[in-house]
Amino acid sequence: QKEVEQDPGPLSVPEGAIVSLNCTYSNSAFQYFMWYRQYSRKGPELLMYTYSSGNKEDGRFTAQVDKSSKYISLFIRDSQPSDSATYLCAMIKGSNYKLTFGKGTLLTVNP
Amino acid sequence: DAGVTQSPTHLIKTRGQQVTLRCSPKSGHDTVSWYQQALGQGPQFIFQYYEEEERQRGNFPDRFSGHQFPNYSSELNVNALLLGDSALYLCASTGSGANTGELFFGEGSRLTVL
Repeated sequence: QKEVEQDPGPLSVPEGAIVSLNCTYSNSAFQYFMWYRQYSRKGPELLMYTYSSGNKEDGRFTAQVDKSSKYISLFIRDSQPSDSATYLCAMIKGSNYKLTFGKGTLLTVNP
Repeated sequence: DAGVTQSPTHLIKTRGQQVTLRCSPKSGHDTVSWYQQALGQGPQFIFQYYEEEERQRGNFPDRFSGHQFPNYSSELNVNALLLGDSALYLCASTGSGANTGELFFGEGSRLTVL
């Protein structure tokens, strides 16, 4: 079993839709959770960073962490064509420097 | 303010050859990590360099080696290339005081092994 599981999609939604992206993980040692966005032929860029269970909101983006269920989510409200990209969940253990990524979910927002 | 810069952007090698990839971290950053991203996969951690020392290593063979220079720039070397080494190689930097896992990535070096 992989440490981090992420449905690769692809996911296609109309402009303005609410998008839900999810990852599950198996190792309870993961303490910090991130969502990265990667446009085609570019490097990943950090979108959201959380370290506790609960919700964190930043503009149209909300990151949710449920440590008891080992489940993290990213919600995108009022999705835009410019949100079309691959979304990668990532997590890191406490005293560690290695980021463990999911496979990424390819999202397309259609105008 | 320049972000993370990597060179070359693309390169083609044949099996058995050796390759060196280069990375300059974002200004003010002192820690460099390297990741391998195969097509359709998430990035996989190769190693991290801090104060010119390899601080942590992922599950990659010894054919993968690296170096960090006093100006914090870094190189990734891969010897005896295999077809399976074809991937996007990403360099990421961070600074002391940043949140754990808060990395700034370059655009990558795309390596094709024939």
